[in-house]
Amino acid sequence: AQSVTQLDSHVSVSEGTPVLLRCNYSSSYSPSLFWYVQHPNKGLQLLLKYTSAATLVKGINGFEAEFKKSETSFHLTKPSAHMSDAAEYFCVVKGETDNYGQNFVFGPGTRLSVLP
Amino acid sequence: DSGVTQTPKHLITATGQRVTLRCSPRSGDLSVYWYQQSLDQGLQFLIQYYNGEERAKGNILERFSAQQFPDLHSELNLSSLELGDSALYFCASSITTNTGELFFGEGSRLTVL
Repeated sequence: AQSVTQLDSHVSVSEGTPVLLRCNYSSSYSPSLFWYVQHPNKGLQLLLKYTSAATLVKGINGFEAEFKKSETSFHLTKPSAHMSDAAEYFCVVKGETDNYGQNFVFGPGTRLSVLP
Repeated sequence: DSGVTQTPKHLITATGQRVTLRCSPRSGDLSVYWYQQSLDQGLQFLIQYYNGEERAKGNILERFSAQQFPDLHSELNLSSLELGDSALYFCASSITTNTGELFFGEGSRLTVL
């Protein structure tokens, strides 16, 4: 079975400084991994995804993540935070069940605050 | 715009009542998922349908049921509502491939008074 750990429930950074949101996963095979962002009272939006191609994945709004199999990690980074980045971020691992069932396992989320 | 449409956006009702939430997936997506998001429980997977059939079940209460219709839209029925059912309910859809991601609707906010 798959599982996801997001190591920080809350991260606070100053505008213009780097962002690091940490994610570790557990999977019995090569997984698909995703980062989603949720702004207040909004749906979840895909930031980026890893699907066994390049290990460094670039997403929207300047975010990127690196898949490290040896560390079972998929940390999300951004060189310079913007006020509009303040939101909840979810790391997701995708497993599969039989018969077209699909199992997206969500981490508990990390709330990012950006200080002026 | 994700292409996933949920109605209603907001719903206020009383304990003991029954409500129906509706979801239209993205064009071409055969899989529909329902999630519940509350402050104390976080994002909880409820149930998944693929082309009209139930494929995976999560933490869905017996008072809740869902179905996916031939036109692929889905409905989540919540009955005998309790205060604790107040939450955001999200629908998501996906292409059923090894790498397909979820596309989320904007959610239906249910308030039970």
